Amino acid sequence: KQEVTQIPAALSVPEGENLVLNCSFTDSAIYNLQWFRQDPGKGLTSLLLIQSSQREQTSGRLNASLDKSSGRSTLYIAASQPGDSATYLCAAPLANTDKLIFGTGTRLQVFP
Amino acid sequence: EAGVAQSPRYKIIEKRQSVAFWCNPISGHATLYWYQQILGQGPKLLIQFQNNGVVDDSQLPKDRFSAERLKGVDSTLKIQPAKLEDSAVYLCASSRGGGPYGYTFGSGTRLTVV
Repeated sequence: KQEVTQIPAALSVPEGENLVLNCSFTDSAIYNLQWFRQDPGKGLTSLLLIQSSQREQTSGRLNASLDKSSGRSTLYIAASQPGDSATYLCAAPLANTDKLIFGTGTRLQVFP
Repeated sequence: EAGVAQSPRYKIIEKRQSVAFWCNPISGHATLYWYQQILGQGPKLLIQFQNNGVVDDSQLPKDRFSAERLKGVDSTLKIQPAKLEDSAVYLCASSRGGGPYGYTFGSGTRLTVV
């Protein structure tokens, strides 16, 4: 059974700060892990997909790492901006299936 | 490429009424998923299609929920009759070949049952 936990549940930071969002999963036999962004009332936007053979992926100011042995992934956001305010969700597949198991998300607020 | 299209964006119905949601996946994506997201929670899988066949519907409340994917393209999700606890965002996602290729989600349909 796969369980995904995200810490912290909420985060409020001033603009310009570098920050780290944490995701842990119980079943390390995953083939990838995906980070999503969700704006209020909207769908999910894929940010980064990390395959099990990779240790990290980068897109602009975002960097995601994956450590299967410890069951952890982190999303690093550099030089945060008010436009980064959203809920960030990580998702890992249930073993031997395509079924994504989501964490409950980290609600980020970046204030000017 | 065009994204995953969903409609309607919002729907308000009374309990015991019926409702249907529509999803059009990215062209060429064989796998289609419906997820339910209750406020404050992460999305949970309701049903997964591979082309027009059901792969996993173990979490679908089959006494009131039904879904189909005709011709392996568009899909509809229906609730009949709706209950208050069905209030949620219903998300459709598609994937080129399943998990290893990642998922693309639509904008979702926000359902409110009053």
